[in-house]
Amino acid sequence: QKEVEQDPGPLSVPEGAIVSLNCTYSNSAFQYFMWYRQYSRKGPELLMYTYSSGNKEDGRFTAQVDKSSKYISLFIRDSQPSDSATYLCAMASDYKLSFGAGTTVTVRA
Amino acid sequence: EAGVAQSPRYKIIEKRQSVAFWCNPISGHATLYWYQQILGQGPKLLIQFQNNGVVDDSQLPKDRFSAERLKGVDSTLKIQPAKLEDSAVYLCASSRRLAGLGGELFFGEGSRLTVL
Repeated sequence: QKEVEQDPGPLSVPEGAIVSLNCTYSNSAFQYFMWYRQYSRKGPELLMYTYSSGNKEDGRFTAQVDKSSKYISLFIRDSQPSDSATYLCAMASDYKLSFGAGTTVTVRA
Repeated sequence: EAGVAQSPRYKIIEKRQSVAFWCNPISGHATLYWYQQILGQGPKLLIQFQNNGVVDDSQLPKDRFSAERLKGVDSTLKIQPAKLEDSAVYLCASSRRLAGLGGELFFGEGSRLTVL
């Protein structure tokens, strides 16, 4: 079993739709939960960052963490074609950062 | 602030040849990471340095991969001899603090390796 599981998709939605992404994990030691966005042929860039359980909102993006279920989510409201990218969940404990496989999202104009 | 610099961006070699990738992290970032990202997969940590000491190299195939970070600044990742399955993007990242202590990783654009 992988430490971090993420459905690779791909996911295709029309412009303006809500995009819902999620990951599950098995390591209870993870304390920091992140979402990275990776455009084609670019390195990942940090999108959202949360510590412990709860919700965090930043503009059109909302990140949720449920440590009891070992489940994290990212929601993108009013999706735009510029949101088309691969979204990677990542989790950290101590010095270790583990990534999910990434979900490729296409927002159709 | 300049980002993480990597070179070369693209490299094509034949199997059993050698290759080296270079990374210059963001100034002042103590932690440097090398990740391997195979097409369709998430980044996999190969090696992590804190200054010029190795923190984690548990997933580095040490029979063919080596990495060094001289003087705690830039770093080189070498593969010798390369295998077909080494075809991937090699990402370098740096952070001011360890990821597990809340450090944000900044990635370079990657070095894309194709082994024929």
